[in-house]
Amino acid sequence: GQNIDQPTEMTATEGAIVQINCTYQTSGFNGLFWYQQHAGEAPTFLSYNVLDGLEEKGRFSSFLSRSKGYSYLLLKELQMKDSASYLCAARDSNYQLIWGAGTKLIIKP
Amino acid sequence: GAVVSQHPSRVICKSGTSVKIECRSLDFQATTMFWYRQFPKKSLMLMATSNEGSKATYEQGVEKDKFLINHASLTLSTLTVTSAHPEDSSFYICSAGTGTGASPLHFGNGTRLTVT
Repeated sequence: GQNIDQPTEMTATEGAIVQINCTYQTSGFNGLFWYQQHAGEAPTFLSYNVLDGLEEKGRFSSFLSRSKGYSYLLLKELQMKDSASYLCAARDSNYQLIWGAGTKLIIKP
Repeated sequence: GAVVSQHPSRVICKSGTSVKIECRSLDFQATTMFWYRQFPKKSLMLMATSNEGSKATYEQGVEKDKFLINHASLTLSTLTVTSAHPEDSSFYICSAGTGTGASPLHFGNGTRLTVT
């Protein structure tokens, strides 16, 4: 079956760096997405990886290893507003998105 | 660009009534829109895929007669929760994409439905 695994919850300190991991198993692969979702709001797009390697976008970076079925989202210089859930989603061969349950990130001062 | 507008953001209705939720792509045409449901502290659950000009494709376990989807134009899809019950209370989110490549899904702001 198809599956996405990511930690349920993580805690980090303001100003620090945190890495949120995601492993996936899908029927075919057409890219991996990371979304941020604040409580009570809809998800917003953060990043997209389809080739191996690191994609950097400001304070956020995303990495992909297709051979390992693995991705991570790296958040630098953490701010209190980064407290949110981070959703990993992989697109399968039918271009269907398979969603992880999300990682709740708690930022402490 | 790629803005998706969802309305209403919150609705409270009585058991047995129906509620319509609208999802519009404001600055792009969306041949396909997706309707999700999300329970507290849970991930997104795909309910159905809405295709312009044709019937929606429902995921297993989703009652098509209860959750009516209409995608009448390239910019509008509606979800109607019919004969709502308290267990239908949830956060409903629509999304649309501009293509199948690197383009991500863009989400509406969601609708918090409370059935009393």
